Amino acid sequence: QSALTQPPSASGSPGLSVAISCTGSTSDIGGYNYVSWYQQFPGKAPKLMIYDVSKRPSGVPDRFSGSKSGNTASLTVSGLQAEDEADYYCTSYGGSNNILFGGGTKLTVL
Amino acid sequence: QVQLVESGGGVVQPGRSLRLSCAASGFTFSSYGMHWVRQAAGKGLEWVAVIWHDGSNKYYTDSVQGRFTISRDNSKNTLYLQINSLRGDDTAIYYCARQLATSAFDFWGQGTMVTVSS
Repeated sequence: QSALTQPPSASGSPGLSVAISCTGSTSDIGGYNYVSWYQQFPGKAPKLMIYDVSKRPSGVPDRFSGSKSGNTASLTVSGLQAEDEADYYCTSYGGSNNILFGGGTKLTVL
Repeated sequence: QVQLVESGGGVVQPGRSLRLSCAASGFTFSSYGMHWVRQAAGKGLEWVAVIWHDGSNKYYTDSVQGRFTISRDNSKNTLYLQINSLRGDDTAIYYCARQLATSAFDFWGQGTMVTVSS
């Protein structure tokens, strides 16, 4: 199966909001509520930010939120801060015991 | 505190084999599904394999099916990935990760680097 589609880059000014999209198909994002989002800094392991489309693990700021509409999931970062500048990856269950990752989006805080 | 520590990476010739390990601590290892995820230099993340908490089921991404084997020893709190017939496109950092929910990995190791080169 193909990877999920994310924009290579996104940007926003401090204090404002930015949304990162993740597009799949009815076989993955559209078929299951199993979308997760990860934040990754250079040279570091990924960190889980959102799971089951919109749930936040303990310790993740509520500035991070997730949603889904049809075959597209979104991660919204509100009140952007300089420390949010990182790579963000989406994942989804792809059926048949397969997990798909998006190609990643580099978020720049202007 | 939860810790996952990978080891076993290195520089390996094409066609050879390698076994990666992931030592877990700070949680009841036998209660969690575990995954391997890899990342080539400058590239995105790629899910590799999963093993259920009791080892009863194992699943792989298509590109490694038949060459990679995931296993675990719950008595040693250790996850393994046996990699055979190594190819250049297997060159990557390999992370082990604990499953929180479907496609959700709440703890990751620091990764171990595998380089396939002659």
